[in-house]
Amino acid sequence: GENVEQHPSTLSVQEGDSAVIKCTYSDSASNYFPWYKQELGKGPQLIIDIRSNVGEKKDQRIAVTLNKTAKHFSLHITETQPEDSAVYFCAAVSAGGGTSYGKLTFGQGTILTVHP
Amino acid sequence: ETGVTQSPTHLIKTRGQQVTLRCSSQSGHNTVSWYQQALGQGPQFIFQYYREEENGRGNFPPRFSGLQFPNYSSELNVNALELDDSALYLCASSRGLAGVEQYFGPGTRLTVT
Repeated sequence: GENVEQHPSTLSVQEGDSAVIKCTYSDSASNYFPWYKQELGKGPQLIIDIRSNVGEKKDQRIAVTLNKTAKHFSLHITETQPEDSAVYFCAAVSAGGGTSYGKLTFGQGTILTVHP
Repeated sequence: ETGVTQSPTHLIKTRGQQVTLRCSSQSGHNTVSWYQQALGQGPQFIFQYYREEENGRGNFPPRFSGLQFPNYSSELNVNALELDDSALYLCASSRGLAGVEQYFGPGTRLTVT
């Protein structure tokens, strides 16, 4: 089945700096890659996603890039703010057959801390 | 807010007991997926329901079972609770299956003592 590796596990930046989180996946049949932000005591919140027919997507201060050949994708946050502090998860969804179809496989998470 | 609701918010059970968790999907969504999130880890897929049928299951034993109702709300049942079942249980709703956005509810925190 799919395996998603996420790095780094913790990331500390100063307000205004950029933050980059990287993920790799194993299943070449995966074609949808969402990113979630999870604040303490809450469920994961979808912040941006990318599909395999697109190399980059941007939404204000957040961007995601995908390299299908290398099987890795990254989240970029620019001009970070203290309210960006949270746990960020990457995920992959396989379009392959079997019981993995449609399920989200998550990375281990990155704790992002933005210092004022 | 995603429009996905879960109940109860918190639950404390004793080992060996049974528990039922509930999820109401977002309006217009016909698919519900359940995930288990242990402390400090990413969510793990339990199973998915599409139009009232189970459509895929993760590496969880049969004592984890579920239902989806005609209004697309869903239940997760866990029998013979074990200490390791203590976790945050999340449901996510979507319109369809693979390659579509999944929106999560706030979760149910289950503690097994």
